[in-house]
Amino acid sequence: RKEVEQDPGPFNVPEGATVAFNCTYSNSASQSFFWYRQDCRKEPKLLMSVYSSGNEDGRFTAQLNRASQYISLLIRDSKLSDSATYLCLEGSQGNLIFGKGTKLSVKP
Amino acid sequence: EPEVTQTPSHQVTQMGQEVILRCVPISNHLYFYWYRQILGQKVEFLVSFYNNEISEKSEIFDDQFSVERPDGSNFTLKIRSTKLEDSAMYFCASSPGTSSTYGYTFGSGTRLTVV
Repeated sequence: RKEVEQDPGPFNVPEGATVAFNCTYSNSASQSFFWYRQDCRKEPKLLMSVYSSGNEDGRFTAQLNRASQYISLLIRDSKLSDSATYLCLEGSQGNLIFGKGTKLSVKP
Repeated sequence: EPEVTQTPSHQVTQMGQEVILRCVPISNHLYFYWYRQILGQKVEFLVSFYNNEISEKSEIFDDQFSVERPDGSNFTLKIRSTKLEDSAMYFCASSPGTSSTYGYTFGSGTRLTVV
């Protein structure tokens, strides 16, 4: 059974802080990984794909560690608007499996 | 930016009734999905659809559920004989290729309330 595990949080951080989330997966054959964000009672929205070599998009950096089977998301210089639930997804052929999400709350 | 459109945004139905949730995927996407999210819980896969047939389904997607692409644009989820525990947010998603490469674009969801 494929599982994706995330620390549910909440992570409460001040504006400007750096925060990191990890997500572990059980399926060693997984080929694709993504980070989504979900605001309360809204649909998940793609934040970024996670590439083997790691990738960065502005304040966001995603990393993949295949040996330990986890992916990470680093957010630098947190903004109030970053407050949301961050979902990791993993998949091989076919559908993607969601983690339960990590809640981030950025405070002024 | 292209969107996945879902209607209605909120549906209230009596237990035992049938509901049809509607979705219009992004026009050049080939893969379609339904997910659901019970309040406070994780997003759960229901079914994927490609080339006019179901390609994969979860154990949640039993005989109570069915999907259809009745024309070139709509993708529907039918829930027969609804139960209280079917109350959830139902998200439609689409992808241009296999989801493992492209990820999904989600619609804004239909909140189903069974009373």
